[in-house]
Amino acid sequence: GENVEQHPSTLSVQEGDSAVIKCTYSDSASNYFPWYKQELGKRPQLIIDIRSNVGEKKDQRIAVTLNKTAKHFSLHITETQPEDSAVYFCAATMGGKLIFGQGTELSVKP
Amino acid sequence: DTEVTQTPKHLVMGMTNKKSLKCEQHMGHRAMYWYKQKAKKPPELMFVYSYEKLSINESVPSRFSPECPNSSLLNLHLHALQPEDSALYLCASSQAPPGPRGVVGTGELFFGEGSRLTVL
Repeated sequence: GENVEQHPSTLSVQEGDSAVIKCTYSDSASNYFPWYKQELGKRPQLIIDIRSNVGEKKDQRIAVTLNKTAKHFSLHITETQPEDSAVYFCAATMGGKLIFGQGTELSVKP
Repeated sequence: DTEVTQTPKHLVMGMTNKKSLKCEQHMGHRAMYWYKQKAKKPPELMFVYSYEKLSINESVPSRFSPECPNSSLLNLHLHALQPEDSALYLCASSQAPPGPRGVVGTGELFFGEGSRLTVL
């Protein structure tokens, strides 16, 4: 079925460390993979996305990698800051819909 | 204008009430969505409108009734809700509708701030 698995569910890092969140998806036809950040009480906001014809994309401290063969993609945040603390959702398009992972609650400790 | 605007921000209703949530976007997007979100859980898709026509209904109970009066507006009519329906209701839009092979338009879903619904 349509499924996106996301790990870990919680992640705690020290300020300045890197954080990595991983997702796997079930449909080999998926071709769009966005990452959303949701702060407490706020809307989900797109932070980076990648399409299936690209293996890696970077935007300042944030990068996403995609391995189509293995059907997994990862979010990398370097030099983490307290304002990076939020819930992060990966997603993948399947069957005309955007399917979300279960979310990772990232806590960056000063 | 890159905003999706939702009203009201907060709504408390009894199980016998009838209320509506409203959503508006002026980005020229042709796909609009309703999602339901519980705390720290992912958004769950409820409905998709594509070119003002309902294209996806994720087996949502009939006590939720969507309406798309025009390309900029999306409503969600609520009637006889249950306490378990309490959640954050998010509206979203995208430039073009989802395609048969899963392309969500040309990319980004723009979310509104949501309407926080409490059913007593």
